[in-house]
Amino acid sequence: GENVEQHPSTLSVQEGDSAVIKCTYSDSASNYFPWYKQELGKRPQLIIDIRSNVGEKKDQRIAVTLNKTAKHFSLHITETQPEDSAVYFCAATSDTGRRALTFGSGTRLQVQP
Amino acid sequence: EPEVTQTPSHQVTQMGQEVILRCVPISNHLYFYWYRQILGQKVEFLVSFYNNEISEKSEIFDDQFSVERPDGSNFTLKIRSTKLEDSAMYFCASSAYSEQYFGPGTRLTVT
Repeated sequence: GENVEQHPSTLSVQEGDSAVIKCTYSDSASNYFPWYKQELGKRPQLIIDIRSNVGEKKDQRIAVTLNKTAKHFSLHITETQPEDSAVYFCAATSDTGRRALTFGSGTRLQVQP
Repeated sequence: EPEVTQTPSHQVTQMGQEVILRCVPISNHLYFYWYRQILGQKVEFLVSFYNNEISEKSEIFDDQFSVERPDGSNFTLKIRSTKLEDSAMYFCASSAYSEQYFGPGTRLTVT
C-alpha cells in the first residue's frame, strides 16, 4: 500500500518568513495530493490540493509543488502569520481522491510573532 | 457553507460496550469515510462507503467494526465490543468527487 513520509515534524519560523513542508510517497499510482491544516482539537481542514497532471498550484499565500518522477510534493507558505500556527498533514491517494487517504505524520508549524 | 456534522462530540464508554458514532455527510456527497486519530498521531483510514456498500477498508476495520447508512442523511460507525486501544478521535468525511471534507470528530474514550 501507499506510504507517505513527511518532514520536518516541527517547524518554527518568524512571522513574515516562509515555511516549507515536504512529503514523499511510495505508490506511483497515487494521483491526488491534498494538504490539511489541523488546529488543536479541531477537524482537519483541506487547504489546498494538487493532481498529478499539474506541477504546481497556488492559492494566495499557499502553494504546492509536485514532482512525479521523484515522488515528492511540498507545501509552501509565504508571509507566515501567527494564525498559520497549526499541524499540517500531507496525504496521497489514487483514483483522484475517491479512495482512502494515506496521511503523513504531520508537521507542527509555529509562527513566532 | 455546508459542513459534515458528527454526534456526539465526546463519548465515554466501558471496555466491552458497544458504541455508535453518527455522522451527517454533506448532502450532495456520494462517498463517505471514517478515519481515526489517536492523540498526537496521524490520521488513519478505517473504511469508505459508496453506493450503500463498503468500497475499501483498512486492517484496523476488523469484525468489531461496522458501518451503515440507515437513511438518506446519516452514516454510522459501530464498534461492537470496545477495547482500550479504540480510544481515539473518530472523524467522518465525505466527498463529491475528490476533495474529502472532515467532520469535527467524536472523541471516544474507553475506560
